[in-house]
Amino acid sequence: AQSVTQPDIHITVSEGASLELRCNYSYGATPYLFWYVQSPGQGLQLLLKYFSGDTLVQGIKGFEAEFKRSQSSFNLRKPSVHWSDAAEYFCAVGSFGGNQFYFGTGTSLTVIP
Amino acid sequence: GAVVSQHPSWVICKSGTSVKIECRSLDFQATTMFWYRQFPKQSLMLMATSNEGSKATYEQGVEKDKFLINHASLTLSTLTVTSAHPEDSSFYICSARDTKPPTDTQYFGPGTRLTVL
Repeated sequence: AQSVTQPDIHITVSEGASLELRCNYSYGATPYLFWYVQSPGQGLQLLLKYFSGDTLVQGIKGFEAEFKRSQSSFNLRKPSVHWSDAAEYFCAVGSFGGNQFYFGTGTSLTVIP
Repeated sequence: GAVVSQHPSWVICKSGTSVKIECRSLDFQATTMFWYRQFPKQSLMLMATSNEGSKATYEQGVEKDKFLINHASLTLSTLTVTSAHPEDSSFYICSARDTKPPTDTQYFGPGTRLTVL
């Protein structure tokens, strides 16, 4: 079955600290992986995506993610978190040409001063 | 980057009335658009897949007669909530699929907050 798991429902970090949000997936085909961020009352903004090639992908706002096929993971990282990064983060998996995206349940990030 | 707009951003209506929500891809053509519903502090629930020039594909449990979807052009899909009731109050988000090679990515609209009184 296709699924995406984000084990951490809520994470709190201090401003300036590093961040890692976990994402594990189960997918029968070659996965395309995405991270989106959602601010309260807003739609989803694409942070980064992985299709192929270099397994470490860079995104906007200083985020990066690493695809590890052996662990079925696509964790999101940022070396130094800013207060404006507080939001809901969703990991998603799909396939090229496929219609269905599978979303994780999201991780809520709180940033404390 | 690819931009998707939604209109209106919020709407309040009386029970029994119909509400139309528009989703537009502004700088790319999208043969496929998606409609999601999101409950507070939850993930997105796919309602239906909208294909340009053909009927929408609805997910199990979604009433096609209640949530009418029309994808009349490569840049516009509409969702009409017919005979809305308070339980239809929710945050509705659309996405448009950009398949211009080498990418295949969904870009999301800002969402529409529907409140049915």
